[in-house]
Amino acid sequence: DTEVTQTPKHLVMGMTNKKSLKCEQHMGHRAMYWYKQKAKKPPELMFVYSYEKLSINESVPSRFSPECPNSSLLNLHLHALQPEDSALYLCASSQEVVYSNQPQHFGDGTRLSIL
Amino acid sequence: DAKTTQPNSMESNEEEPVHLPCNHSTISGTDYIHWYRQLPSQGPEYVIHGLTSNVNNRMASLAIAEDRKSSTLILHRATLRDAAVYYCILKTSYDKVIFGPGTSLSVIP
Repeated sequence: DTEVTQTPKHLVMGMTNKKSLKCEQHMGHRAMYWYKQKAKKPPELMFVYSYEKLSINESVPSRFSPECPNSSLLNLHLHALQPEDSALYLCASSQEVVYSNQPQHFGDGTRLSIL
Repeated sequence: DAKTTQPNSMESNEEEPVHLPCNHSTISGTDYIHWYRQLPSQGPEYVIHGLTSNVNNRMASLAIAEDRKSSTLILHRATLRDAAVYYCILKTSYDKVIFGPGTSLSVIP
């Protein structure tokens, strides 16, 4: 069982819809991450939060809007997405961004389909 | 760009050891070597990490070359549940985790 919980597991939305992806962890981790993974490709980093503040944005289009309301929760707000945004969206957490010897714990992702 | 190179795919017979290689010739002194695997329809799963010395845990062993320019993940006895994509990653403080293409491992019954 994964310690990072992502909801929903599947989401189908139209290009004009607004939806949100949710990620939750209760391991006391202070770093949280969003990744995007296309089929048969490796995960690509989108955003990094450290102590609830955005520390890295990998030039992600503004139709993706991350939010970290508290240390256990990470949201990804979606608006006016394009068909090419269909992918698996993965959330991960680690104790702190600063330490390179700490692993990341991943959720099983939300599979997003844009109609 | 990913700082590691791995074979695209490998095959192993069930119950035999598997050695998954990774080259990282540009590794710096503070880079940790991390391994993750991703089973079908799941998120990546941490396997093991190391800096200079060989490491063992309940899942696998990590053998690191003396010059640290390569490493090998060792699964001592492959099972069908080990069929996955295995990613070798270098990690420095504050650095972004960049996944390369990884090695797709098939386990033959």
